[in-house]
Amino acid sequence: DIQMTQSPSALSASVGDRVSITCRASQNIDSYLSWYQQKPGRAPKLLIYAASTLQSGVPSRFSGSGSGTDFTLTISGLQLEDFATYYCQQSDIIPFTFGQGTKLEIK
Amino acid sequence: EVHLVESGGGLVKPGGSLRLSCAASGFTFSNAWLSWVRQAPGKGLEWVGRIKTVTDVGTTEYAASVKGRFTLSRDDSKNTLYLQLNSLKTEDTAMYYCTTAVYGFFDYWGQGTLVTVSS
Repeated sequence: DIQMTQSPSALSASVGDRVSITCRASQNIDSYLSWYQQKPGRAPKLLIYAASTLQSGVPSRFSGSGSGTDFTLTISGLQLEDFATYYCQQSDIIPFTFGQGTKLEIK
Repeated sequence: EVHLVESGGGLVKPGGSLRLSCAASGFTFSNAWLSWVRQAPGKGLEWVGRIKTVTDVGTTEYAASVKGRFTLSRDDSKNTLYLQLNSLKTEDTAMYYCTTAVYGFFDYWGQGTLVTVSS
């Protein structure tokens, strides 16, 4: 199975900050990488797919980059509603696997 | 607007069975590949399985942790996805989410249904 490792596991930031979360795959997954946001008690929400394509309706302050094994989710200009847990997921090879999550908290 | 509504969760004893349903609307169900993703309390996300369309032979694929115990099926006439859970273990306790699974990523999610396996 492909292992997905996110860093950091937790992150404190302030409204207006620019933050980045990284995701590393245990083998090459080309651009088969997605990012999700999950708020407490809610289902996850797709933010980015194919490593850098913004899902419809997602604010442009979210961006994704990378290919191969190393990927980054960047949020430019944090808003209050962005404090949540973020997961990466590979869709190159079954079983599809997720990172362990990064909890973004208010500083 | 896409809607996915799961049901069928509940409390079941180890070794027991349960059938989850996911009623879909807002898209052409028969053309959709669908997945279940679960999340144990306080933990991360785990893909459970995927079912393709009937035209793709309705092929199913499963995570190793559930293979042989869980079965995905679909009824395109009812726009409903099912997950049959057999031989349940305590470690199957989780919120189970139904998702659309375009190209392997999950673009729409239901609100989830909670399965608790406990004696």
